[in-house]
Amino acid sequence: GAVVSQHPSWVICKSGTSVKIECRSLDFQATTMFWYRQFPKQSLMLMATSNEGSKATYEQGVEKDKFLINHASLTLSTLTVTSAHPEDSSFYICSARTTSGSYNEQFFGPGTRLTVL
Amino acid sequence: LAKTTQPISMDSYEGQEVNITCSHNNIATNDYITWYQQFPSQGPRFIIQGYKTKVTNEVASLFIPADRKSSTLSLPRVSLSDTAVYYCLVGQGGATNKLIFGTGTLLAVQP
Repeated sequence: GAVVSQHPSWVICKSGTSVKIECRSLDFQATTMFWYRQFPKQSLMLMATSNEGSKATYEQGVEKDKFLINHASLTLSTLTVTSAHPEDSSFYICSARTTSGSYNEQFFGPGTRLTVL
Repeated sequence: LAKTTQPISMDSYEGQEVNITCSHNNIATNDYITWYQQFPSQGPRFIIQGYKTKVTNEVASLFIPADRKSSTLSLPRVSLSDTAVYYCLVGQGGATNKLIFGTGTLLAVQP
């Protein structure tokens, strides 16, 4: 199946710094990618839909100035957590769909563990 | 997007068949039913998808009654490595349609 990668797999940063997370579709093109956040023992929460060449669509309650999303190419979307604080510590997961194959199958990246000290 | 309801957790033993039922009373005509598996600190992995009746692949079976208001994921002869969270999602296909995750079911398989 299609492969989605994320980099880095984990990151530790100081409070107040910004962190960029990359999401790549390795063997397919994705005009749309999705970013999720998952806290311990909780489900995945959709943060935003990343659209290639246009602005991201954020879910209600997600601060767009806090979580900057850039989808500059058909294989790369980035999520930047600006001025990170300890409450931003979480597991961030991206996903993308292919335009072929299973009708509703979405491929997920391995996730990025962010820890803000 | 249709809301789903699943049991929070289930316990099983190795070699048993496990059935996880999901309720989706407000499923729309164009919605498909998809199940994902997630291990700790990993992204979810696609298991199976269906629209109606029964679907089977090398990993699981999915049973969907005629009214499509529920579905049952069946895992034959589970092993310890099947311990994971299983999510039931309903929604339309297409590359731009988002998926909303419910609470999921934590399946614990014991020896």
